[in-house]
This record gives sequence, C-alpha cells and structure tokens, in this order.
Amino acid sequence: EIVLTQSPGTLSLSPGERVTLSCRASQSVSTSYLAWYQHKPGQAPRLLIYGASSRATGIPDRFSGSGSGTDFTLTISRLEPEDFAVYYCQRYGISPYTFGQGTKLEIK
Amino acid sequence: QVQLVQSGSELKKPGASVKVSCKASGYTFTSYAMNWVRQAPGKGLEWMGWINTNTGNPTYAQAFTGRFVFSLDTSVSTAYLQINSLKTDDTAVYYCARSWHGFDLWGQGTLVTVSS
Repeated sequence: EIVLTQSPGTLSLSPGERVTLSCRASQSVSTSYLAWYQHKPGQAPRLLIYGASSRATGIPDRFSGSGSGTDFTLTISRLEPEDFAVYYCQRYGISPYTFGQGTKLEIK
Repeated sequence: QVQLVQSGSELKKPGASVKVSCKASGYTFTSYAMNWVRQAPGKGLEWMGWINTNTGNPTYAQAFTGRFVFSLDTSVSTAYLQINSLKTDDTAVYYCARSWHGFDLWGQGTLVTVSS
C-alpha cells in the first residue's frame, strides 16, 4: 500500500507570501492519479488539483501542482487570507485511495 | 444544482448501528462512483472505500471491513453508509464524495457521535 507523507506538518506564513507544500509517496504514483484538496473547519474538502497539475473547476490560477514519480508539490503563488486551511494530497484511481496526513497552513 | 446532501448528525450508544445517507442531485447518479471518507476528531482524512453505482459492488479499505456497509438506492439517487456495532472510536465526521478526476463533489459531512 502506498503511503503519502506530507511536509511540513504546519506552516506559519503571511498573506502575500508564496508557499510550496510537499507530498512524497512511498512508491511511484502515476501523475494521472495525484490530487490536492483544501479543507477548512466545518466545511467539506475542496478539490484543487487532479492529475498532479490540472486545476479543478473554479480554482484560481494562484494554485498550481507539479511533480512526478514519488515527489509532488502544491504551490500557492501569493497567499490570500482565505487560503489558510489544511491541505491534503491523495492518490486515487487505483485502490486504496490514500490521503497524506495533511499540512496546516496558518496565519503568522 | 449539482450537489450531495447528507443526513443530519447522529448520537448513538456503543453497540448500536447508524445509517448515513447521501442524496445526489443535478447529475446522473450512476455515472460516477461514490466514496466514503472519515475524519475523526483532530485527525486527517481517511478513505473508507467506494461503491460502484452501476453494479452496487462495494470496495472497502482494509481498516473498514466487517462493520461497515455501503449500499445504494438508485431509484432515489442515494448512497448509504451503515456502521454496525458502533464503538466510541467511530466518533467522526463522515463524508460522501463523488469520484471522477479526484473527488470533485463532496457532501457536507455527517457527524456521528458514539457515547454512552
């Protein structure tokens, strides 16, 4: 079973900054099947990126995904106040659809 | 409007059962698989498994075999999660989520609290 490890666990940043979140897989993941989600308290998770680099419908272009093999990243080019949340990567398409443990992005 | 609407919060005693519903609207229910995801208090997202909405065939993640049952009623475009023999550790928010390219549509979540 593939394990996804996200780093760092928590990041404290200010609005306007650029941030890169990491997701490392224990085995190679097809780029077709790597997704990123944003999750805020009391809300449903929101799909940001699928296929490692494709933005989901309605997602602002400040969010971008990249990577291949075992190393993937989510970049937010310029943090907005509404971007402070927990971010998860996920391997989907081939069971089990594993989530990473999450990275919490908090306001500095 | 394309949406998944889940049933409301539940408070159950250990040993009881609970059935959570997830009603789809605004799209063809049988065109997308349905997944279930758990978030225990203070923890991350955990994929529980999925159900083929065409055949009704469920697939369970390893940690969710035995007491967890996925089912459908396609006549009302609804998926169900039943949890039997509830334990206090089952206290969590349970989400249904449609899968296509990733999980692109989520229900609002159902809080299940198990307490004596």
